[in-house]
Amino acid sequence: KQEVTQIPAALSVPEGENLVLNCSFTDSAIYNLQWFRQDPGKGLTSLLLIQSSQREQTSGRLNASLDKSSGRSTLYIAASQPGDSATYLCAVVMIKAAGNKLTFGGGTRVLVKP
Amino acid sequence: DGGITQSPKYLFRKEGQNVTLSCEQNLNHDAMYWYRQDPGQGLRLIYYSQIVNDFQKGDIAEGYSVSREKKESFPLTVTSAQKNPTAFYLCASSTGQGAGGYTFGSGTRLTVV
Repeated sequence: KQEVTQIPAALSVPEGENLVLNCSFTDSAIYNLQWFRQDPGKGLTSLLLIQSSQREQTSGRLNASLDKSSGRSTLYIAASQPGDSATYLCAVVMIKAAGNKLTFGGGTRVLVKP
Repeated sequence: DGGITQSPKYLFRKEGQNVTLSCEQNLNHDAMYWYRQDPGQGLRLIYYSQIVNDFQKGDIAEGYSVSREKKESFPLTVTSAQKNPTAFYLCASSTGQGAGGYTFGSGTRLTVV
């Protein structure tokens, strides 16, 4: 059974510092990995989608890497801002998952202090 | 703009009452999903549908029912059999293979009064 873990569960940094969020998964037979952002009381906003054949994806200040062999993905957020405060979730789709279901990590709650 | 619309944003249910949460998408996605989110817990899959007129139980389907009569719509009914329905409910959709990633709605917060 696939297990997705995000460590740390919470992170607090001063504004301007780079953020590094970690995601690990136990089964490397994934179709893709997706990073989401969730603000309190809101839905999930997709940040980056990495296909299994890709090593990284970039969007603005965000960069996500994927290392299938070690079962890890890292989300980098450069020059953090107070508006980056949110919970960040990673999720994988298994190749053999019925219905191509997402398996989520528990999330990392980020606070960027002004 | 394409996206997923969930309604209502807030819903209050009395004991013993059935309520239906709406989810509509205009992304032309084949697959749709319902997740439940509780404080301190991850997202848990309730039901999913990969094609019209077909749906499958997820990890916590007891006390819930769904229908998929149209590609665009996937309503979730929370029945009186669901003993602890207070939660945040999220609807999502994806292409059939999930290759294009998932899109989520803004959620419905259900509270039992």
